[in-house]
Amino acid sequence: AAGVIQSPRHLIKEKRETATLKCYPIPRHDTVYWYQQGPGQDPQFLISFYEKMQSDKGSIPDRFSAQQFSDYHSELNMSSLELGDSALYFCASSSRLTSNEQFFGPGTRLTVL
Amino acid sequence: AQSVTQPDIHITVSEGASLELRCNYSYGATPYLFWYVQSPGQGLQLLLKYFSGDTLVQGIKGFEAEFKRSQSSFNLRKPSVHWSDAAEYFCAVGGSYNTDKLIFGTGTRLQVFP
Repeated sequence: AAGVIQSPRHLIKEKRETATLKCYPIPRHDTVYWYQQGPGQDPQFLISFYEKMQSDKGSIPDRFSAQQFSDYHSELNMSSLELGDSALYFCASSSRLTSNEQFFGPGTRLTVL
Repeated sequence: AQSVTQPDIHITVSEGASLELRCNYSYGATPYLFWYVQSPGQGLQLLLKYFSGDTLVQGIKGFEAEFKRSQSSFNLRKPSVHWSDAAEYFCAVGGSYNTDKLIFGTGTRLQVFP
C-alpha cells in the first residue's frame, strides 16, 4: 500500500539558510499535518491543511511557512534557519471520509550547522 | 487544555516479562487515543487506536490497551516482551474530528534485557 513520502530524508544547512521540505500524502487523503520532533522530544504539531486550506496552526515559528498544492502535496518552507531548528520533521496525512487515523511519513532529518 | 502524561520516562524489563506503559490524558470531549512506537531515528508506527466501543483494544505486535474513562487512562500492555520491542513509545490524543492535530506525551523509552 502507498505510504506518505517525504523528501529529502536528510538535509544539512547552515545557519541563516533556507530549507524546503516536501510531503506527498497517501493518494485520496485530503489532510496533511506537519510535526517537529527535537532530539529526545515528543513530536510537536506545527500546522495542518485540509483541501489546500490551512485548517489548524500550532507552535510554528513565523520564519516557517507551509502550503498544500492542487495535487495535495505539501511543502514546509523554513527561512533564517537556527541551530534549534535541527530536528526530525514528520508529515502525516489522513482522510475525512475514511478514518481518524493519521499516517506518518518516515520524516526528514534537518541538521543546521 | 488538552494534554497527555506518560509518567514513566524509562522502563527496563527482561525479555519474556509482561509490560505496562502508563498514559493519562486530559481532554474536554471524548478523546481519540493512540499509541505509536518509534525506533531510534525512525518514523512513527501506529500500534493501536481507540475511537469508541470496546474499551479493550488489540493492536499489532501483540500489544493491547485499555481505555478507562473514570481514570482518564489508556495504558498499553503486552504479556511477553521481545527484545525487538525496545523502542520509544508515545501515547497521543486527538480530537473528535479527524482533522484535529495529535497531542503526544513525552514518551517512554523501553529497554529490554535478555
